[in-house]
Amino acid sequence: GAGVSQTPSNKVTEKGKYVELRCDPISGHTALYWYRQSLGQGPEFLIYFQGTGAADDSGLPNDRFFAVRPEGSVSTLKIQRTERGDSAVYLCASSASGNTQYFGPGTRLTVL
Amino acid sequence: TQLLEQSPQFLSIQEGENLTVYCNSSSVFSSLQWYRQEPGEGPVLLVTVVTGGEVKKLKRLTFQFGDARKDSSLHITAAQPGDTGLYLCAGYNTNAGKSTFGDGTTLTVKP
Repeated sequence: GAGVSQTPSNKVTEKGKYVELRCDPISGHTALYWYRQSLGQGPEFLIYFQGTGAADDSGLPNDRFFAVRPEGSVSTLKIQRTERGDSAVYLCASSASGNTQYFGPGTRLTVL
Repeated sequence: TQLLEQSPQFLSIQEGENLTVYCNSSSVFSSLQWYRQEPGEGPVLLVTVVTGGEVKKLKRLTFQFGDARKDSSLHITAAQPGDTGLYLCAGYNTNAGKSTFGDGTTLTVKP
């Protein structure tokens, strides 16, 4: 079956702009995770959804970051007033059981 | 905060050699996962270990979970260039419902 997909694969934006990153999880997976990965580091937890609700958003770095999953499937990570420090690969993963997560290919965000 | 330390950070070896990489924490995890990540792609799950002392083998890869469920190792026998990649360990906490990742070991296997 289809895996986790993320769009766009690359996003270049200017400092101060707003961006949206989309994640399509594996069908039927109730848990969805967003991570951020900088060069040379492992994925850093941002937020996790169980169904439509954010079960844990403790990893969001500040209030410029927000994520939604209105119908319990597709999720959108939204970043307002982007800063150069937001440049990273944003990874999405979905899971049916929690400890087994399937990752998408990521969105590479570059803030100029 | 649960932290996972992976060592070594970088490892470069010749084809045919054996190697072991480590994942250590002061925290106990419900389970631990090993992933391999190639450039431009997301991590791909290799194995999940759940029971303290558990050993799992996947072809030339052997994974061990520490007795106290705080640490793990990955041993590769007769490494091949196709094994090149970033090896990540992740500790999963059932109560929290989320995973903590280490910073990985970057493995290069030269032909």
